[in-house]
Amino acid sequence: AQSVAQPEDQVNVAEGNPLTVKCTYSVSGNPYLFWYVQYPNRGLQFLLKYITGDNLVKGSYGFEAEFNKSQTSFHLKKPSALVSDSALYFCAVSSIGGATNKLIFGTGTLLAVQP
Amino acid sequence: EAGVVQSPRYKIIEKKQPVAFWCNPISGHNTLYWYRQNLGQGPELLIRYENEEAVDDSQLPKDRFSAERLKGVDSTLKIQPAELGDSAVYLCASSSMGGPYNEQFFGPGTRLTVL
Repeated sequence: AQSVAQPEDQVNVAEGNPLTVKCTYSVSGNPYLFWYVQYPNRGLQFLLKYITGDNLVKGSYGFEAEFNKSQTSFHLKKPSALVSDSALYFCAVSSIGGATNKLIFGTGTLLAVQP
Repeated sequence: EAGVVQSPRYKIIEKKQPVAFWCNPISGHNTLYWYRQNLGQGPELLIRYENEEAVDDSQLPKDRFSAERLKGVDSTLKIQPAELGDSAVYLCASSSMGGPYNEQFFGPGTRLTVL
């Protein structure tokens, strides 16, 4: 069965410092990996995805993520955090085939960027 | 381009009452999803439509939940009767195609409170 783990409920970082939000996954086939961000009282917004190819994926608002197959991880990163990055971040995974052809979300990580 | 529209944004009802949620996806998006997001959790898929056809409703509690997508555009999700445990945010999303590698675009959600 597919699953996603976001081991940190909350990540605190000072503005200007680099940030990392961790995600590990489990699927039976090739994974398709996504990051979404949720601001208060708003729907989820797509940030980036990994389908195939280059392990480093660049997305919106300066975010990037690195796919690591051996560690089954897809951590979200940004070189310099902004206060406006404070939000709830969700990692999600899908794969091809039957009942697994759906997006499975992690429980979310709250990112708090202090000025 | 207009995003996914959902209404109402908030709904408070007493248990055993019926409730309905409406979703208008992004124009041209053939695939529509309904998710439920419990507090502190990631969204969980309830049902997925490809045009008018429900292609994955395995997580929909069919004894009390129903959904329809007439004419392959707007969709309605209904709960009858509502239970206390149905309190959650109900999210609608759409994508241009239903493949596992396509990003989904989410609406702002309907926050349901069952008293």
